[in-house]
Amino acid sequence: DIQMTQSPSSLSASVGDRVTITCQASQDISNSLNWYQQKPGKAPKLLIYDESNLETGVPSRFSGSGSGTHFTFTIISLQPEDIATYYCQQYDNLPYTFGQGTKLDIK
Amino acid sequence: QAQLVQSGSELKKPGASVKVSCKASGYTFTISTLNWVRQAPGQGLEWMARINPNTGNPTFAQAFTGRFVFSLDKSVSTAYLQISSLRAEDTAVYYCARSGFYSGAFDLWGQGTVVTVSS
Repeated sequence: DIQMTQSPSSLSASVGDRVTITCQASQDISNSLNWYQQKPGKAPKLLIYDESNLETGVPSRFSGSGSGTHFTFTIISLQPEDIATYYCQQYDNLPYTFGQGTKLDIK
Repeated sequence: QAQLVQSGSELKKPGASVKVSCKASGYTFTISTLNWVRQAPGQGLEWMARINPNTGNPTFAQAFTGRFVFSLDKSVSTAYLQISSLRAEDTAVYYCARSGFYSGAFDLWGQGTVVTVSS
């Protein structure tokens, strides 16, 4: 199975800050990488698909980049409503696998 | 609008069985794949399986063989997850989620079904 390693596991930032989360795959997954946001008690929500494509309706302050084994998720200006846990997910090989999550809160 | 609506919370005793449903509406059921994702209390997301509505054949992660059955009924646009011989470690939220046939992006999620296994 492909292992997805996310860092950091938790992060505190201030409103307006630039926030970056990284995801490392245990083997080359090309651009087969998605990012999700999950708020407490809610289902995950797709934010970024195919490494850098913004899902319809998702604010442009969210972005993704990378390829191969190293990927980055960025919030360019953190908003209070962005408090959530974020997950990366690869779909290059079955079984699909997720990173362990990054819990983001407001400093 | 497109949505996936799951059945309600379940409280089961160890050794019992449970069947969770996921009803699709607002889109053509047969043009997408249905996936199941597990989230244990306080833990991350774990992909369990996907099922092609046209063939009914599931593909699943190794951890979900044996006690787990993934099925669907195309006539009512509903997917099912059945777990038998329940154990305490099956306690989790189970989500269904839609993806394309060639895409692993889960763009539509059910609200989740909480399954609690306790004596």
